[in-house]
Amino acid sequence: AQSVTQPDIHITVSEGASLELRCNYSYGATPYLFWYVQSPGQGLQLLLKYFSGDTLVQGIKGFEAEFKRSQSSFNLRIPSVHWSDAAEYFCAVGGMLTGGGNKLTFGTGTQLKVEL
Amino acid sequence: EAGVAQSPRYKIIEKRQSVAFWCNPISGHATLYWYQQILGQGPKLLIQFQNNGVVDDSQLPKDRFSAERLKGVDSTLKIQPAKLEDSAVYLCASSPLDRGELAFFGQGTRLTVV
Repeated sequence: AQSVTQPDIHITVSEGASLELRCNYSYGATPYLFWYVQSPGQGLQLLLKYFSGDTLVQGIKGFEAEFKRSQSSFNLRIPSVHWSDAAEYFCAVGGMLTGGGNKLTFGTGTQLKVEL
Repeated sequence: EAGVAQSPRYKIIEKRQSVAFWCNPISGHATLYWYQQILGQGPKLLIQFQNNGVVDDSQLPKDRFSAERLKGVDSTLKIQPAKLEDSAVYLCASSPLDRGELAFFGQGTRLTVV
């Protein structure tokens, strides 16, 4: 069964600092990996995704993530945190369903708080 | 392009009552998902439709939850009777056929059961 672990429940950083949000996954084959962000009262917005190829993927807002197969990780890096980045971040792994289609399994999320 | 539309945005009901949520996916998206997001947890897939057929409903509590997607477009998710532990945000998402990695999410319906 596929699963995702986000070990950091809450993180507080100062604006302008760099940050890495951790994500570890369990999946039987090469996974699809995702990072989503959710602001209060909003739906999930896709930040970036990895399917194959270059293990360093770039997303919106200058975010990036690196797929490390040996560590089963897909950590998200924010080079310089802005106050508007305060939100909840979810890592997800995707896999094919037997009957077709894809199924996303989400981690429990990391709540990011930004101090000005 | 219009996004995934959900209604209502908020709903408060008493336990044992019934409730229904509605989702209108992005036009042309064959696959529709319902997720349940309990406070402090990540979204959990309840059911996935491909057109009007069910692909995966393994985590849907079928004794109280039901969902349908007539005509392969709009979908409704119903809870009857509701329990306190059903309090959550219910997210609808849609994607092109077999491309769950391209899923777009609606803003969700926040359900509070008292």
